[in-house]
Amino acid sequence: DVVLTQTPPTLSATIGQSVSISCRSSQSLLHSNGNTYLHWLLQRPGQSPQLLIYLVSRLESGVPNRFSGSGSGTDFTLKISGVEAEDLGVYYCVQGTHAPWTFGGGTKLELK
Amino acid sequence: EVQLQESGPGLVKPSQSLSLTCSVTGYSITSNYWGWIRKFPGNKMEWMGYISYSGSTSYNPSLKSRISITRDTSKNQFFLQLNSVTTEDTATYYCARWGELDYWGQGVMVTVSS
Repeated sequence: DVVLTQTPPTLSATIGQSVSISCRSSQSLLHSNGNTYLHWLLQRPGQSPQLLIYLVSRLESGVPNRFSGSGSGTDFTLKISGVEAEDLGVYYCVQGTHAPWTFGGGTKLELK
Repeated sequence: EVQLQESGPGLVKPSQSLSLTCSVTGYSITSNYWGWIRKFPGNKMEWMGYISYSGSTSYNPSLKSRISITRDTSKNQFFLQLNSVTTEDTATYYCARWGELDYWGQGVMVTVSS
């Protein structure tokens, strides 16, 4: 199975600070069809996961544009440009290029 | 608006079967893919499997022959059955529109304990 390694496991930030989360894959996530099925989810406390970014860098409808995704191959990054209080929770990368789908271990974003 | 709602028992005894229902409104399950995912105590998430618009299924090999996902298109519901559960199957179980990952149920916590 593809292993996704997220760092850091915990991130402390102040409101307005910009932060980045890394997701590294044990193998390339470039599919033979040219797509890279790497997505980012946020799970706020007490809520179900919410899709933020799909296909590496595409912003899901309704998601603020302070969220952005980048990367290719095996290295991917989620950036939040100016953390807001509502951004707190656990962030996951998830891949669907190789069966079975797998998740990163999660990054918990906390207020400093 | 697409909505998903999980339902089922919150407590299952070891060696028994876990059965959950996902009721979908606002969208037909004869389109797209529909999955089950679980989150263990802590942060670990696991994709369990999905059922497609045609009724075909795909499962996580880690669950081997213990898992079955079926559906009732007349009720717009799909189901999870996990056999021979152990305490390691204690988790919060979610259903979601799979592939898109854009719609999720609120989750149901299932504890495996005697």
